[in-house]
Amino acid sequence: DAGVTQSPTHLIKTRGQQVTLRCSPKSGHDTVSWYQQALGQGPQFIFQYYEEEERQRGNFPDRFSGHQFPNYSSELNVNALLLGDSALYLCASSLLRIGYTFGSGTRLTVV
Amino acid sequence: SQQGEEDPQALSIQEGENATMNCSYKTSINNLQWYRQNSGRGLVHLILIRSNEREKHSGRLRVTLDTSKKSSSLLITASRAADTASYFCATDAGGGNQFYFGTGTSLTVIP
Repeated sequence: DAGVTQSPTHLIKTRGQQVTLRCSPKSGHDTVSWYQQALGQGPQFIFQYYEEEERQRGNFPDRFSGHQFPNYSSELNVNALLLGDSALYLCASSLLRIGYTFGSGTRLTVV
Repeated sequence: SQQGEEDPQALSIQEGENATMNCSYKTSINNLQWYRQNSGRGLVHLILIRSNEREKHSGRLRVTLDTSKKSSSLLITASRAADTASYFCATDAGGGNQFYFGTGTSLTVIP
């Protein structure tokens, strides 16, 4: 039974570029949440998707957007990348917002 | 600002000793969770304690919750080198869909 799968594992982008991160939830899970974790900090909530809609959003600018597909997988898009967007991006899946399982994350470096 | 704050920021102990780390939070919660993170990778769920519970055990882990003081503690008994990791508490801050993480305690267990 596969857990949460995130791709890619590492990514280097240039300031101003756009990036798309992907997440496949654990089998049987229908809800996906995204978190940003800066170096030395705890994860911060970006947003949560359920039934293909954004259900809740944290304190992140509109440059951060997402999508959930009918198969429950999800994408996180970040436009106009800033150096400060460098972080570990974590995806967590759950069933009806219960029992969260985190993926191993995507390490994004903006240069 | 983040909801939870862990204390101490870093802890170094000898293998076999007990490790205690604390978490304080700011607003009422439905439940509090503890997670472990190895080397900036994904978060592993350790234990969940509900607001109406005072103590919970799981293997070598013991978690306490004092809602009057808005604090929790995680005790790892008979520590092992493999317990070396960062430990985070996460709260739901009143039942929302997002978790609020602290900045974590970095635990080093010396063989």
